[in-house]
Amino acid sequence: KAGVTQTPRYLIKTRGQQVTLSCSPISGHRSVSWYQQTPGQGLQFLFEYFSETQRNKGNFPGRFSGRQFSNSRSEMNVSTLELGDSALYLCASSAVYEQFFGPGTRLTVL
Amino acid sequence: AQSVTQLDSQVPVFEEAPVELRCNYSSSVSVYLFWYVQYPNQGLQLLLKYLSGSTLVESINGFEAEFNKSQTSFHLRKPSVHISDTAEYFCAVSAGGGSNYKLTFGKGTLLTVNP
Repeated sequence: KAGVTQTPRYLIKTRGQQVTLSCSPISGHRSVSWYQQTPGQGLQFLFEYFSETQRNKGNFPGRFSGRQFSNSRSEMNVSTLELGDSALYLCASSAVYEQFFGPGTRLTVL
Repeated sequence: AQSVTQLDSQVPVFEEAPVELRCNYSSSVSVYLFWYVQYPNQGLQLLLKYLSGSTLVESINGFEAEFNKSQTSFHLRKPSVHISDTAEYFCAVSAGGGSNYKLTFGKGTLLTVNP
């Protein structure tokens, strides 16, 4: 089986712009979770989607949003980018008891 | 809510020496426990997991971890490390019983294996 894929791998944006990141889960996995990784805050849970519905949400502002499509692919969007949004964004697709992570998208906000 | 504390942010060791990376967790419900490894510029790879049953779990590359409920710990050990084990290691917890799609991570431990 192919692993979790994330596109793009690297992004550079400026403050105030918006960005969309994409995640394709492992075939057959219906749950997709998103995490933000920064040196200061570590790994933080953003949200989780299951069958096109947001099932869990972390403590992030409303500028962070996501969605899931009928084929389980997921996107996350960050609007009005701030410098502090610079991070590695990781997507994970879930089997019953474990999560499989993609390589991440490195977002740099200038 | 769950929380995870990794007691050491950095652990330098020499090749072929034993290593222990410490992890303590806090939770009011039963949990599943995980260790993930992250190599530079890569995502997270699952190293091993504890769901239930035997409290000692092993990975295919020589790591093991023991779940200690009374001490709320899940320390990771390897009797002899290799240069290639240099990476960042993350301990994570999720609530058991079906709410296991949200992982709470520790801050990570950078293991550096020196020749």
